[in-house]
Amino acid sequence: AQSVTQPDIHITVSEGASLELRCNYSYGATPYLFWYVQSPGQGLQLLLKYFSGDTLVQGIKGFEAEFKRSQSSFNLRKPSVHWSDAAEYFCAVGARGNEKLTFGTGTRLTIIP
Amino acid sequence: KAGVTQTPRYLIKTRGQQVTLSCSPISGHRSVSWYQQTPGQGLQFLFEYFSETQRNKGNFPGRFSGRQFSNSRSEMNVSTLELGDSALYLCASSPGGLSSYNEQFFGPGTRLTVL
Repeated sequence: AQSVTQPDIHITVSEGASLELRCNYSYGATPYLFWYVQSPGQGLQLLLKYFSGDTLVQGIKGFEAEFKRSQSSFNLRKPSVHWSDAAEYFCAVGARGNEKLTFGTGTRLTIIP
Repeated sequence: KAGVTQTPRYLIKTRGQQVTLSCSPISGHRSVSWYQQTPGQGLQFLFEYFSETQRNKGNFPGRFSGRQFSNSRSEMNVSTLELGDSALYLCASSPGGLSSYNEQFFGPGTRLTVL
């Protein structure tokens, strides 16, 4: 069975500082990996995705993530956060031909001035 | 293209009642998935419909059911509501073919409160 672990429940960073959100997955085959962001009371917005190929993927809003098969990780990074990045971030894993996504428990990001 | 729409956005029901939630996918998308989001359990997959057939099912009791229409619109029904069914119900759509990369596009959700 596939699973996703986001070890950090809550992270606080200063505006302008760099950010890294951790995600570890468990899946037997090559996973499809996603990062979603959710603002309060809203649905989920896709930030970026990894299917195959280049292990460093670029997403929207200046986010990037790196797939490391040896560490079963797919960490999300941003070089300089903005106050508008405050939200909850979810890592998810899926499989080809199967629409079911398994989500991590999420990391809540707080930005301080 | 218009995004995924869900109606209603907010709903208040009492225990024992039933409720129907609606989801209209992105035009051309044939797969609709439903997720339940609660503070305690996080995001959990309910089921997925593709071309009017349930293709995947999560681990929820039979009180939770769904269907999909020929225009790909989907409804989710919860019967005999319990307090624990209070949650944000999210609908997601994707093209859904076997070669799909299952990139899901989510709607804003329906907030269900059971009193």
